[in-house]
Amino acid sequence: QSALTQPPSASGSPGQSVTISCTGTSSDVGGYNYVSWHQQHPGKAPKLMIFEVTKRPSGVPDRFSGSKSGNTASLTVSGLQGEDEADYYCSSYAGGPWVFGGGTKLTVL
Amino acid sequence: EVQLVESGGGFIQPGGSLRLSCAASGFTFSNYWMHWVRQVPGKGLIWVSRISSDSRTVSYADSVKGRFTISRDNAQNTLYLQMNSLTVEDTAVYYCARGPDRRSGNYYVGDCWGQGTLVIVSS
Repeated sequence: QSALTQPPSASGSPGQSVTISCTGTSSDVGGYNYVSWHQQHPGKAPKLMIFEVTKRPSGVPDRFSGSKSGNTASLTVSGLQGEDEADYYCSSYAGGPWVFGGGTKLTVL
Repeated sequence: EVQLVESGGGFIQPGGSLRLSCAASGFTFSNYWMHWVRQVPGKGLIWVSRISSDSRTVSYADSVKGRFTISRDNAQNTLYLQMNSLTVEDTAVYYCARGPDRRSGNYYVGDCWGQGTLVIVSS
């Protein structure tokens, strides 16, 4: 159960789009369409933003979208807003256990 | 309102044991998968364990297998994590997180999280 690989940081200006990658293996990301993305603001609990690669829970803006190709999943945030500045974590089902990525700090310039 | 409230954290010496609890309210607890996730302050999220709605299926991270036991009491709407043989590497904030409704067929770790309970393992 190795952690999924995410870039430590990403940034974009308000209104721009930014994409965060999440790379795993055929035993997790590549083997199942069960990738989720969580947003976490400092001192707060995580919030589910995307599940099953592309699905958005009720209340999550459609500026957030997910995709997957092979062993790499991606989260795209379009029309960046100041409130999007946070840490983002991917997670994937791994056939019993789950595994998280190391997290990406998104900065809105 | 869906609410998860963890308790039971604290300061413990290496080799000791601790039991965490997570009280659920605002939803039909017995229908949902539940997870424990931990986070060292300032670091990333680490998945720890999960349990099915009927307790028949449990899974653990390799790092806690054989030392931690997840369980639930659906009559009391409470999730537990029994932690034995604790080491300094187990120091973290422990979150309980709601998984999907067993009837939905969905897969995710947490659409609702508690505020976390801090466990400090130190001599």
